[in-house]
Amino acid sequence: NAGVTQTPKFQVLKTGQSMTLQCAQDMNHNSMYWYRQDPGMGLRLIYYSASEGTTDKGEVPNGYNVSRLNKREFSLRLESAAPSQTSVYFCASSYPGLAGWGGTGELFFGEGSRLTVL
Amino acid sequence: GQQLNQSPQSMFIQEGEDVSMNCTSSSIFNTWLWYKQDPGEGPVLLIALYKAGELTSNGRLTAQFGITRKDSFLNISASIPSDVGIYFCAPRGYNNNDMRFGAGTRLTVKP
Repeated sequence: NAGVTQTPKFQVLKTGQSMTLQCAQDMNHNSMYWYRQDPGMGLRLIYYSASEGTTDKGEVPNGYNVSRLNKREFSLRLESAAPSQTSVYFCASSYPGLAGWGGTGELFFGEGSRLTVL
Repeated sequence: GQQLNQSPQSMFIQEGEDVSMNCTSSSIFNTWLWYKQDPGEGPVLLIALYKAGELTSNGRLTAQFGITRKDSFLNISASIPSDVGIYFCAPRGYNNNDMRFGAGTRLTVKP
């Protein structure tokens, strides 16, 4: 199984350009997430999707949009890239348990997408 | 919003030494998860805690879910070079999909 697959792995943009990071999971997970990781800041949640058809803002949503295309796919779009969006982006998925919230809550991560905005 | 503090930020230790790191929060949680991130990869779950007061071990790792439900610690005993990486705590509340992470503890192990 591939798990969580992110594309592209590397991208260089100029300020003002737009791009979409793609994420797909093959584990039949309900929830999907986008994080950014910056040195000394840990992982910060940008947006998440608790289930197909829903999306919610995380800690740092400004400058980003997301689309939960179907159960497998969750994309992150930068409409007008800024140097402050230079970061490593991680997509993750999880499968909440059947008994209320339950489950392990474990997130499964992709390998990351390194984005540089000049 | 909730505050989540992870310490220390970084640690430099000799191989064979024990390591301890912790997370504290202003909010109550039902689950504490600890992840490790190897260089160039995404984080991977190390250990999960589901009950206040729970003490769980996984090999050389030991983690505890604080009685107040606002904190957790992770210990690594007899560290080895492959323990190098960034360790994150990630608490979770009931019916809460908003999974946030601590700022991480970067561990360096000198052979």
